[in-house]
Amino acid sequence: DIQMTQSPSSVSASVGDRVTITCRASQGISSWLAWYQQKPGKAPKILMYAASTLQSGVPSRFSGSGSGTDFTLTITSLQPEDFAIYYCQQGYTFPYTFGQGTKLEIK
Amino acid sequence: QITLKESGPTLLKPAQTLTLTCNFSGFSLTTSEVGVGWIRQPPGKALEWLATIYWDDDKRFSPSLESRLSIAKDTSKNHVVLTMTNMAPVDTATYYCAHSVYGDSSFDYWGQGTLVTVSS
Repeated sequence: DIQMTQSPSSVSASVGDRVTITCRASQGISSWLAWYQQKPGKAPKILMYAASTLQSGVPSRFSGSGSGTDFTLTITSLQPEDFAIYYCQQGYTFPYTFGQGTKLEIK
Repeated sequence: QITLKESGPTLLKPAQTLTLTCNFSGFSLTTSEVGVGWIRQPPGKALEWLATIYWDDDKRFSPSLESRLSIAKDTSKNHVVLTMTNMAPVDTATYYCAHSVYGDSSFDYWGQGTLVTVSS
């Protein structure tokens, strides 16, 4: 199985800050990576697919980059509604696997 | 608009079989490249992909759970059924179904999830 490792596991930031979350795959996955946001008690919501393609309706302050094994999700100008847990997921090969999550907390 | 909703038991005893149904609308599982996947999340833990079934009846399973899982679709009823045998307390989780497109491999629409607790 391809292991997905996110860093950091948690990060504290303030409204208006810029935050970057990293996801590393244990082997190359080309650009087969998605990012999700999950709020307490809710289902995950897709933010990004194909590493850098913004899902329709997602604010442009979210951006993604990377290919191969190293990927980043960047959120510029954090808004109160952005505080949540973020997961990456590889879709390069079965079994699909998720990262362990990054909790974005208010400082 | 695409919607999905999971239904099934909320409490099971160890060794019982879990049967979950995902009822969906806004798309058809007869459409080329469409799939429905199941993902679970134990309380306070990360997401785990379980299985996906595609429009052409191709089925993919998590190798660690494959011996316990089955998945089937009923295109006339617009639903997908996931079965997991020999449930144990470690299988306690929220189970989600989600829409997927073959070749994209992400999950763009999710159900609300259903919490299944396994306890004697």
